[in-house]
Amino acid sequence: DVKVTQSSRYLVKRTGEKVFLECVQDMDHENMFWYRQDPGLGLRLIYFSYDVKMKEKGDIPEGYSVSREKKERFSLILESASTNQTSMYLCASILDPGHKEYGYTFGSGTRLTVV
Amino acid sequence: AQRVTQPEKLLSVFKGAPVELKCNYSYSGSPELFWYVQYSRQRLQLLLRHISRESIKGFTADLNKGETSFHLKKPFAQEEDSAMYYCALTIQGAQKLVFGQGTRLTINP
Repeated sequence: DVKVTQSSRYLVKRTGEKVFLECVQDMDHENMFWYRQDPGLGLRLIYFSYDVKMKEKGDIPEGYSVSREKKERFSLILESASTNQTSMYLCASILDPGHKEYGYTFGSGTRLTVV
Repeated sequence: AQRVTQPEKLLSVFKGAPVELKCNYSYSGSPELFWYVQYSRQRLQLLLRHISRESIKGFTADLNKGETSFHLKKPFAQEEDSAMYYCALTIQGAQKLVFGQGTRLTINP
């Protein structure tokens, strides 16, 4: 089974801190994604990457950046955390668009609280 | 832009009753539609996709291009069906999924 591992299950950070959320997949997938999951809003795409060092903005990129230095790792960075970034963050990966029928593989999520 | 709408945030039915979770989308081309499910304390996972026309755990979904809908149905609900359900859309050749707001389904004993 493809594994998508998010390094932290729960994080509590202070307003203004720089926060790193890490995601690692072990099946050589090309495409990786960061979503945030909020009640009543569903999943909203923050950023995605289709190759090493390549990134594209999703629907809500403001306040976030990403890094993909290696194929297996995709990091989400909150440059200066704010309370409205308190959320559940989900990482996902997929081999390539031609394999969408197998579905995206999601990590277990990181619940971030900014105080 | 593509959009997915799930009009019901919460849906509660009794065990053995039929279930229908609604999903409507807006996209002028030919989309690919999916249903994802998240059980309590588990990861979000693929339930079914319209291309395969399969039945998973008794659930089916038919793509209705005329009504731009992809409703999820099950004739007899079971308690283990209680979960959060998301409808999602992508377009051919694109990598990203667009999700609906989600419907929390509760099956009462």
